This record gives sequence, C-alpha cells and structure tokens, in this order.
Amino acid sequence: DAGVTQSPTHLIKTRGQQVTLRCSPKSGHDTVSWYQQALGQGPQFIFQYYEEEERQRGNFPDRFSGHQFPNYSSELNVNALLLGDSALYLCASSNTGDEQFFGPGTRLTVL
Amino acid sequence: AQSVTQPDIHITVSEGASLELRCNYSYGATPYLFWYVQSPGQGLQLLLKYFSGDTLVQGIKGFEAEFKRSQSSFNLRKPSVHWSDAAEYFCAGYNNNDMRFGAGTRLTVKP
Repeated sequence: DAGVTQSPTHLIKTRGQQVTLRCSPKSGHDTVSWYQQALGQGPQFIFQYYEEEERQRGNFPDRFSGHQFPNYSSELNVNALLLGDSALYLCASSNTGDEQFFGPGTRLTVL
Repeated sequence: AQSVTQPDIHITVSEGASLELRCNYSYGATPYLFWYVQSPGQGLQLLLKYFSGDTLVQGIKGFEAEFKRSQSSFNLRKPSVHWSDAAEYFCAGYNNNDMRFGAGTRLTVKP
C-alpha cells in the first residue's frame, strides 16, 4: 500500500500565477482533505471532498478551489498566487468519520 | 468557535527524562482528538487518537495521552524520551468534517 501520495514535491511560482497540486488517497479511502501549513504554524483546513463534491470548507478565499475525481484522487487549485500562499500543502485521506492519513506534502514557494 | 490550543511553543527535555505536552480544546461537543508528530520537511504521522471510551490512550513509539473532559484537555506523555523524539508535535480536534490543529510544540532533546 503506497499510502497517500502528493505531487509535485516542490514547486516555485511567481505572484499572479496559478498552480495545481495533486493527491492520490490511500487505497480504500473515499475522502480527501487539504491543509495549508505556513512555516512555523499548524496546518489550516482548506476543504474536504467526498463523492466528488466539496463537503466542508475552512476560512480560505475562492482563489482556492478543488476537485475530486471518480477514483477519489483530488486536485487543489490556487489562482492569482500571493506571496502569502507560500506554504506546505498537505493532503489527507480517510473514510468518513475515521482517522486521516497524511501525505508528505507539496512545498509551494511564491516569488 | 472550535479551536485547539497548545500552550507551549517549545519544550526542551533531557534524554531519558519524562515528557508531557499540553493540549486544550474548545468545542461545543467533545471532538475526536489526535496527536500527530512531524519531522522537518515531512508530513504528519499519527501517534494516537481518542474517539470515546477509555480516557487513557496508548499510541505508537511509547506515547500515551489522557483525555480529561473536566479540563478540556488531551495531554501527551512519554515516560522516557529518546533523542529520536525531537520533532514538532501537533494536537488536533475533529468534528463535523472539520479538523483543527494547534500551533504545535517543538520538542528539543538534550543529550
């Protein structure tokens, strides 16, 4: 079992650009959650996807959007990047009501 | 508002000494509670979880945590710390598809 995988590992973008991050959940999991972890802080919940729909959302602007595919994998899209979007983006998978398993994250740097 | 608080930003202990990391939660109802560990540049690894039942929870790597409803706390303990335990530790609460993390406690282990 490969566990939760994320791609790419690192990414460098400039302000105003758009970025797409990808996540493959652990085998058997149907729910994917995304988190932003700024340097020196705890992860902040962005949103959760279940059955290809956004089920819950944290306090993030509409520039952050996502998608879940029929195979349960997921994408996180961020438009109009700001310097403050630089962070480690974590994906976690689970089955509803159960513990979340985290991927290694994607380190996004915005210049 | 739902929140998790870790009062200690940084703790230093000597190798072989005991450890207690504090966590307090503020939720309308008792959430699921978790402790995660994060090594530099890595994702989160689950140490232990509390859903219900026995208030003393055993986890991996010799860690345990005690849920105290009267104090809204879920403190993490280890009787004898090893140098490899040096890392960032996060407490988290989960309710209604929303996971909230504390800001983390950085553990340094002195030889």
